[in-house]
Amino acid sequence: DIQMTQSPSTLSAFVGDRVTITCRASQSINNYLNWYQQKPGKAPKLLIYAASSLQSGVPSRFSGSGSGTDFTLTISSLQPEDFAIYYCQQSYSTPWTFGQGTKVEIK
Amino acid sequence: EVQLVESGGGLIQPGGSLRLSCAASGFTFSSYAMSWVRQAPGKGLEWVSAISGSGGSTDYADSVKGRFTISRDNSKKTLYLQMNSLRAEDTAVYYCAKGRITISNNWFDPWGQGTLVTVSS
Repeated sequence: DIQMTQSPSTLSAFVGDRVTITCRASQSINNYLNWYQQKPGKAPKLLIYAASSLQSGVPSRFSGSGSGTDFTLTISSLQPEDFAIYYCQQSYSTPWTFGQGTKVEIK
Repeated sequence: EVQLVESGGGLIQPGGSLRLSCAASGFTFSSYAMSWVRQAPGKGLEWVSAISGSGGSTDYADSVKGRFTISRDNSKKTLYLQMNSLRAEDTAVYYCAKGRITISNNWFDPWGQGTLVTVSS
């Protein structure tokens, strides 16, 4: 199975900050990397697919980059509604696996 | 608007069986792969199973292989997950999620609201 490791596990930031979350795969997954946002008590929401493609309706302050084993999710200017848990997911091969999550908290 | 509504969760004893359903609307259901993803209380996300649009191809996580069966009824636009030999570690919120046209290389969008399965005596 492909292991996905996110860092950091928790991130404290101010509104307006630029935030970067990293996801590393245990083997190359090309660009088969997706990002989700989950708020308390809600289902996850797709933000980015195929490493860098912004899902329709997602604000442009979210962006993704990377290929191979190392990927990043960037929020260019953190907004109050962005405080949530973020997960990466590899879709290179089954079992499709998720990172452990990064909680973005208010500083 | 794409909508997915899960049902069938509840409290079940270890060793018991449960069938989850996911009613879909707002898209051509038979054209898309579908998946089940679960989340244990306070934990992360775990992909459970996927099925192709036709239903002819399925895949499972090792943790549920041989105990869970995914299926779909395209005439009813409904996805199912038959769960047998349930264990305490199967306790989780179960989400259904729409995949891509192909069963390969799937991302999940959107997700249903989830249904809670609690396995306990």
